[in-house]
Amino acid sequence: EPEVTQTPSHQVTQMGQEVILRCVPISNHLYFYWYRQILGQKVEFLVSFYNNEISEKSEIFDDQFSVERPDGSNFTLKIRSTKLEDSAMYFCASREDINQPQHFGDGTRLSIL
Amino acid sequence: SQQGEEDPQALSIQEGENATMNCSYKTSINNLQWYRQNSGRGLVHLILIRSNEREKHSGRLRVTLDTSKKSSSLLITASRAADTASYFCACYTNAGKSTFGDGTTLTVKP
Repeated sequence: EPEVTQTPSHQVTQMGQEVILRCVPISNHLYFYWYRQILGQKVEFLVSFYNNEISEKSEIFDDQFSVERPDGSNFTLKIRSTKLEDSAMYFCASREDINQPQHFGDGTRLSIL
Repeated sequence: SQQGEEDPQALSIQEGENATMNCSYKTSINNLQWYRQNSGRGLVHLILIRSNEREKHSGRLRVTLDTSKKSSSLLITASRAADTASYFCACYTNAGKSTFGDGTTLTVKP
């Protein structure tokens, strides 16, 4: 069965550095998402992306965050200048259309030192 | 309270028993999905129920949706130790924005 894949599985970065998290959604999916989950807390929506543009974003997704679909397969989340509180699991998800289930990757654990 | 709240927060049962988890939400939704998450892992989609549906089944899972009460329930029948995990509901709007609940931590004792 096709899967959403995320790399790396664990990223350690110094505070203030830029980080790019990568995702390869399922190939025929058209809607793409990023979520984060701080340790012990619930999953929080960051952004949804469709037709090469952001369709929805949350209050968390401020100017430090950006997303890109640089080619036909990758979907990336960039955090421009990381803060300690950005430490979390970041999940990518995709789905075929708005009435189909979202499929999640295994996540990238981001640790900011 | 927030969109997509589950209760109970924690549930501990014996293998073979049924487990019921509830989810409430506040605004209109397009669909609602239930997920399972094992510790430190990604979310596994269980069932999607659309706003015009009332009940769906998948194996030992049964999900109901009551849009008049803005609530949903997940029933796991004949539970197994392997069902031990956290279970989340997520509410999806027409625009595709989603809100996850805090989750129910289910422990099934062998």
